Amino acid sequence: TQLLEQSPQFLSIQEGENLTVYCNSSSVFSSLQWYRQEPGEGPVLLVTVVTGGEVKKLKRLTFQFGDARKDSSLHITAAQPGDTGLYLCAGGVWSGGSNYKLTFGKGTLLTVNP
Amino acid sequence: DTGVSQDPRHKITKRGQNVTFRCDPISEHNRLYWYRQTLGQGPEFLTYFQNEAQLEKSRLLSDRFSAERPKGSFSTLEIQRTEQGDSAMYLCASSLRRGARNEQFFGPGTRLTVL
Repeated sequence: TQLLEQSPQFLSIQEGENLTVYCNSSSVFSSLQWYRQEPGEGPVLLVTVVTGGEVKKLKRLTFQFGDARKDSSLHITAAQPGDTGLYLCAGGVWSGGSNYKLTFGKGTLLTVNP
Repeated sequence: DTGVSQDPRHKITKRGQNVTFRCDPISEHNRLYWYRQTLGQGPEFLTYFQNEAQLEKSRLLSDRFSAERPKGSFSTLEIQRTEQGDSAMYLCASSLRRGARNEQFFGPGTRLTVL
């Protein structure tokens, strides 16, 4: 069973600050996906990384996949109140040949105060 | 571009009643997933369809739960004899395999409250 540990669980910062969220596992994943979820809504896909060491940037968000494909980080520069939400990482593995199973972490609840 | 839709968005029911939820995936996606999410947790996998075939079910899916995707398009998830522990957000996702990516796109979810 793959487990993903996210840290920190809660993060409250002021607008303009930088932050990093971590996603760690002892398992190797074929890909790692980051989602953001707002209250009462479904998760929205932010990025997918598939290659060890891969770095992707999405405006002020930088995502990195660990060299061994076991961990990932999300760095936000100059956070804004609109970045507030639950950030979920999900590791993907092939199961039973055709099912691509995602295992989710518990998430990091980010609050950016104006 | 129409995303994944789910209906209803909210359902309140009494313990012991049956409920059914519907999911309409992105039209060209042949893979459909159901997840359950409780407060403070990430989504947990329940079951998976490729076209109309249900290929995998989690041990979380007790015999009170049944899912169908009769024509390989929309899917339904039924819970019989609901219990208070069934209260959760039920999420549907769909995907189209593209190499190693297989990105899953989620609907807005159905929030179930069992009184």
